Amino acid sequence: AQSVTQLGSHVSVSEGALVLLRCNYSSSVPPYLFWYVQYPNQGLQLLLKYTSAATLVKGINGFEAEFKKSETSFHLTKPSAHMSDAAEYFCAVSESGGGADGLTFGKGTHLIIQP
Amino acid sequence: ETGVTQSPTHLIKTRGQQVTLRCSSQSGHNTVSWYQQALGQGPQFIFQYYREEENGRGNFPPRFSGLQFPNYSSELNVNALELDDSALYLCASSLRQGGNEKLFFGSGTQLSVL
Repeated sequence: AQSVTQLGSHVSVSEGALVLLRCNYSSSVPPYLFWYVQYPNQGLQLLLKYTSAATLVKGINGFEAEFKKSETSFHLTKPSAHMSDAAEYFCAVSESGGGADGLTFGKGTHLIIQP
Repeated sequence: ETGVTQSPTHLIKTRGQQVTLRCSSQSGHNTVSWYQQALGQGPQFIFQYYREEENGRGNFPPRFSGLQFPNYSSELNVNALELDDSALYLCASSLRQGGNEKLFFGSGTQLSVL
């Protein structure tokens, strides 16, 4: 069975500071890994996706994530936080890339940006 | 703008009632998935329909059922509503082309069961 653990239900950073959101996964097969962002009263938007092509994945809005198999981690980073980054972030895992087994999401991390 | 629309946006029902939620997928998408997101939690996979057939299901009882239609619309039906069914219900459409599909999520239907 697959699972995702997101460390820290809330993360607060200053505008312009580094953003680091942590995600650890469990999967019995090489996984597909995802980061999604959810703004208030909206659905989920894909930030980036790992499909084994490269361990460092670049996404939208300046975010990137690094797949580390030895640590079973897929942490999300952004060098400089912007006020518009304030949102809920979800890490997800799938053994089929979003197919019949669906995506298994973590509980989410609420990112707060301090001015 | 994902091109996926859900209706209604909000709904209030009473325990024991039945509810139907609707989703309009992006044109051309042959797959739709439904997720339940309880307050303060991540979305949980309910089931997926591919070409009008259910082809994957999460840990949800049979009172959760669905339909997918040829016109890119779909429904989630929940019978015998329970208080714990109160949640945001998200649908996501995609085009299955041999894997590596991208999900496009709607904004969801907020269901409250009293």
